[in-house]
Amino acid sequence: DVKVTQSSRYLVKRTGEKVFLECVQDMDHENMFWYRQDPGLGLRLIYFSYDVKMKEKGDIPEGYSVSREKKERFSLILESASTNQTSMYLCASSLVLGQNVQETQYFGPGTRLLVL
Amino acid sequence: DQQVKQNSPSLSVQEGRISILNCDYTNSMFDYFLWYKKYPAEGPTFLISISSIKDKNEDGRFTVFLNKSAKHLSLHIVPSQPGDSAVYFCAATFTGTASKLTFGTGTRLQVTL
Repeated sequence: DVKVTQSSRYLVKRTGEKVFLECVQDMDHENMFWYRQDPGLGLRLIYFSYDVKMKEKGDIPEGYSVSREKKERFSLILESASTNQTSMYLCASSLVLGQNVQETQYFGPGTRLLVL
Repeated sequence: DQQVKQNSPSLSVQEGRISILNCDYTNSMFDYFLWYKKYPAEGPTFLISISSIKDKNEDGRFTVFLNKSAKHLSLHIVPSQPGDSAVYFCAATFTGTASKLTFGTGTRLQVTL
């Protein structure tokens, strides 16, 4: 059974703070993703990684960075948190079955971040 | 630019009846489509998918229909059950994009007794 865990369910931070959101998956998946979910906007991709130390920008990377030093762990970093980064953050992972063939994405429970 | 749209933010259906959730897309390069279900305080879970080479895929009570010419897909749930009450997201991708999914805005389904 695939498990994706996120370090915190709820987080409250102040404007300007550096924030780290951690995600760990236990199924040896190559791909990992960070999304944010906002009402009326659905899930929007921030960054993804298809291998250790590899990363690609998603649709809304501004204000965020990521780190993938180990295959199972993908971190999202808010360099200087702002109130417009208050959101639900979701991590996901997926297995690459073959060239251009992927399995579905499995999601963690989410981290609800409030920036004051 | 919203490439995947779910125009109904909410839907209410009686238990036992059919629920139909709709999704439209604009990018004709998309060739694989998925539906995810999300309960409050949980991450989305995969429900059903369809490749563009098919026009229908069925899994138990859930059926997804794809109309490529209209760039439209729909999820049918028959019969609807109270446990189906959740937010449903459709998502789209195309082969060779390293698994990137583009999600719709979601439809909140409420199944009433």
